[in-house]
Amino acid sequence: KAGVTQTPRYLIKTRGQQVTLSCSPISGHRSVSWYQQTPGQGLQFLFEYFSETQRNKGNFPGRFSGRQFSNSRSEMNVSTLELGDSALYLCASSLGGGFRDNEQFFGPGTRLTVL
Amino acid sequence: QQPVQSPQAVILREGEDAVINCSSSKALYSVHWYRQKHGEAPVFLMILLKGGEQKGHEKISASFNEKKQQSSLYLTASQLSYSGTYFCGTIIQGAQKLVFGQGTRLTINP
Repeated sequence: KAGVTQTPRYLIKTRGQQVTLSCSPISGHRSVSWYQQTPGQGLQFLFEYFSETQRNKGNFPGRFSGRQFSNSRSEMNVSTLELGDSALYLCASSLGGGFRDNEQFFGPGTRLTVL
Repeated sequence: QQPVQSPQAVILREGEDAVINCSSSKALYSVHWYRQKHGEAPVFLMILLKGGEQKGHEKISASFNEKKQQSSLYLTASQLSYSGTYFCGTIIQGAQKLVFGQGTRLTINP
């Protein structure tokens, strides 16, 4: 079975721009979660999508948004980029019950650098 | 609400044992353990649920003290492949967010 894939793997943007990251979960997984990882703040939960609906949301500003498509693929969008948005963005998928009771499979991440 | 992990870092020789602790000030629904090697994605180790259920890999041992809201991960007879940063994540009862601790960096030397 193919693992979680994320595209692009690396991205460089400038302040004020917007960016869209993509995640394809493991086949059959309907729950997709997004995390931001930085050296200072560690791993922080952004949001979870299940069956095209946002099921849970972390404490991030509205500039961070996402969506999920009918094939469970998910996108995350960050608008009006700030320097502090530079981070590794990880996507994780899990079985239908979601991450509360099931293991998550993480993708390799997208390294975003904001200049 | 972020769980506190201890120690922050530990260095072992191959074959030695280690215990990594994770504690929360809130009543927990579950504790999740992941290991991340440098430059790689986190990999699932174990989930410990309120009530005693555990899901994880057979070679990993962990405990969850519901009275103290503490969990411990036990690494016995450590191997070089155990090196990495270990994260505990907690879900508070009634909540839906998984909050990770700052991580424990484990280094295994030959």
